[in-house]
Amino acid sequence: DPKIIQKPKYLVAVTGSEKILICEQYLGHNAMYWYRQSAKKPLEFMFSYSYQKLMDNQTASSRFQPQSSKKNHLDLQITALKPDDSATYFCASSQDGRGHYAEQFFGPGTRLTVL
Amino acid sequence: GEKVEQHESTLSVREGDSAVINCTYTDTASSYFPWYKQEAGKSLHFVIDIRSNVDRKQSQRLIVLLDKKAKRFSLHITATQPEDSAIYFCAASRGTYQRFGTGTKLQVVP
Repeated sequence: DPKIIQKPKYLVAVTGSEKILICEQYLGHNAMYWYRQSAKKPLEFMFSYSYQKLMDNQTASSRFQPQSSKKNHLDLQITALKPDDSATYFCASSQDGRGHYAEQFFGPGTRLTVL
Repeated sequence: GEKVEQHESTLSVREGDSAVINCTYTDTASSYFPWYKQEAGKSLHFVIDIRSNVDRKQSQRLIVLLDKKAKRFSLHITATQPEDSAIYFCAASRGTYQRFGTGTKLQVVP
């Protein structure tokens, strides 16, 4: 059974629209993360949450907003989509609430294409 | 800004030989160095890590070396097998977030 679920697997959106990427982890972890992988930047850290609180944000644009409704959920809302947002978005989690001194477990990713 | 650099973008080795992937980092406060593997079309998964209080760690065929003075660390894969073929990412963390390198595509040829 998948331990980290990301939905949808593939997503096509038009420029200017808004989408929400879903992530749920069933590992009992305390920290969750979002990363983006594209041809331009192979693996780019976006956000980290620990116990549902934002710990780190390395995303310059406010168009990207993480949402944590439950401890094991960390969704990513993206507004005013641009073609440059096209990438695979990975959700990850780790046991350690501090997160950054522990191995991270990655979800299967959501491949977003913005036309 | 701080960076993690992987020096080999691609690496090809013969099955049974050793592969070495090198990374350097700029943030002197980095203290945790994990490695991840990404097979074609799949997500990343953790393979091994090292903390700054040691300079060598081994897990089966994987060895990680850390040279804090040079701000360099490396992944050694011994007795390579076809299933080792993948992209390997190094990362470094100072306790804020894990900063990843650009990845090294390893191909193990028969």
